[in-house]
Amino acid sequence: GAGVSQTPSNKVTEKGKYVELRCDPISGHTALYWYRQSLGQGPEFLIYFQGTGAADDSGLPNDRFFAVRPEGSVSTLKIQRTERGDSAVYLCASSLAGGPDTQYFGPGTRLTVL
Amino acid sequence: AQSVTQLDSQVPVFEEAPVELRCNYSSSVSVYLFWYVQYPNQGLQLLLKYLSGSTLVKGINGFEAEFNKSQTSFHLRKPSVHISDTAEYFCAVSEGAGNNRKLIWGLGTSLAVNP
Repeated sequence: GAGVSQTPSNKVTEKGKYVELRCDPISGHTALYWYRQSLGQGPEFLIYFQGTGAADDSGLPNDRFFAVRPEGSVSTLKIQRTERGDSAVYLCASSLAGGPDTQYFGPGTRLTVL
Repeated sequence: AQSVTQLDSQVPVFEEAPVELRCNYSSSVSVYLFWYVQYPNQGLQLLLKYLSGSTLVKGINGFEAEFNKSQTSFHLRKPSVHISDTAEYFCAVSEGAGNNRKLIWGLGTSLAVNP
């Protein structure tokens, strides 16, 4: 079956602009995670959804970052007033029901803020 | 909070040689442990995971890892590597409660297999 997909694969924007990154999880997966991976680093947790609700947003770096999952499937990560330090690969993962279930990752969106 | 230390940032090895990639984690409480692989220009893929039970875990592509609670380690091993194993390897530990099991990651180990 189809895996996790993310669009766009690459996004270049200017400092101060607003961006949206989309994640399509594996069908039927109720748990969805967003991570951020900077160059030479491991992924860093941002937010976890169980169904439609953000069950843990403790990893969002500040209030410029926001994510939604209105119908419990597709999720959108939104970044306002982008800064150069936001440049990274944004990864989305889904799992069947959370907990110890395997997290399946998408290919990521590479965000570059000029 | 949990932390994960991957002791080697780069590991060069010759083809058909054995390899061990080291990982230590901080927590002394019950944890889930994972190894993921990231091939060039590809997404993260699960190699293996430890949830409970036998401390020796076998994964895909001939990899295995051993959970050592007393040493808080989860080292990854392969007895004979191939050129195609060249990739970035990440160790991760889950943190949270109930269904919320976000992953805390190490910095990664770059495995370079040379002919």
